[in-house]
Amino acid sequence: GAGVSQSPRYKVAKRGQDVALRCDPISGHVSLFWYQQALGQGPEFLTYFQNEAQLDKSGLPSDRFFAERPEGSVSTLKIQRTQQEDSAVYLCASSLAPGNYEQYFGPGTRLTVT
Amino acid sequence: AQSVTQLDSQVPVFEEAPVELRCNYSSSVSVYLFWYVQYPNQGLQLLLKYLSGSTLVKGINGFEAEFNKSQTSFHLRKPSVHISDTAEYFCAVSVYGGATNKLIFGTGTLLAVQP
Repeated sequence: GAGVSQSPRYKVAKRGQDVALRCDPISGHVSLFWYQQALGQGPEFLTYFQNEAQLDKSGLPSDRFFAERPEGSVSTLKIQRTQQEDSAVYLCASSLAPGNYEQYFGPGTRLTVT
Repeated sequence: AQSVTQLDSQVPVFEEAPVELRCNYSSSVSVYLFWYVQYPNQGLQLLLKYLSGSTLVKGINGFEAEFNKSQTSFHLRKPSVHISDTAEYFCAVSVYGGATNKLIFGTGTLLAVQP
């Protein structure tokens, strides 16, 4: 079946622009995660959804970052007034249920802020 | 808080040789342990996981890992590597019974297999 998909795969933004990154999780997966992976680093947790509820946003680096999952399926990560330090790969992952520890990752969106 | 240390940023190895990628973790509570592989321009793929039971865990592509609670380690091994194993490998932990199951990753080890 289809895996986790993300769009766009690549995004170049000028400093100060707003961007929106989309994640389509595996159908039926309740849990959805966003991670940020800076160059040469491991992914770092940003936020977690259980269905449409955002239960943990402790990893969001600033109030410029906002995520939503209004219908419990597709999720969007929005970054306002992008800064150069926002340049990274943004990974989305989903898992079947809250007690299921296996996360399936999408290919990521590479954001470059110039 | 939990943390994961992968001491080797890069491990060069010849094809058909054995390899071990090291992972140590720090946590005051019980954790689950994972190894993920990331090929260029792709997302992460789960290699194997330790949740409970036997401390020797076998995964895909001939990889295995051993959980050592006393040494807080979860090293990844393969007896004979192939060129196609060249990739970035990430060790990760998740808090047992945690509210979100979020993963905490190490900084990764690049396995570079040479012919």
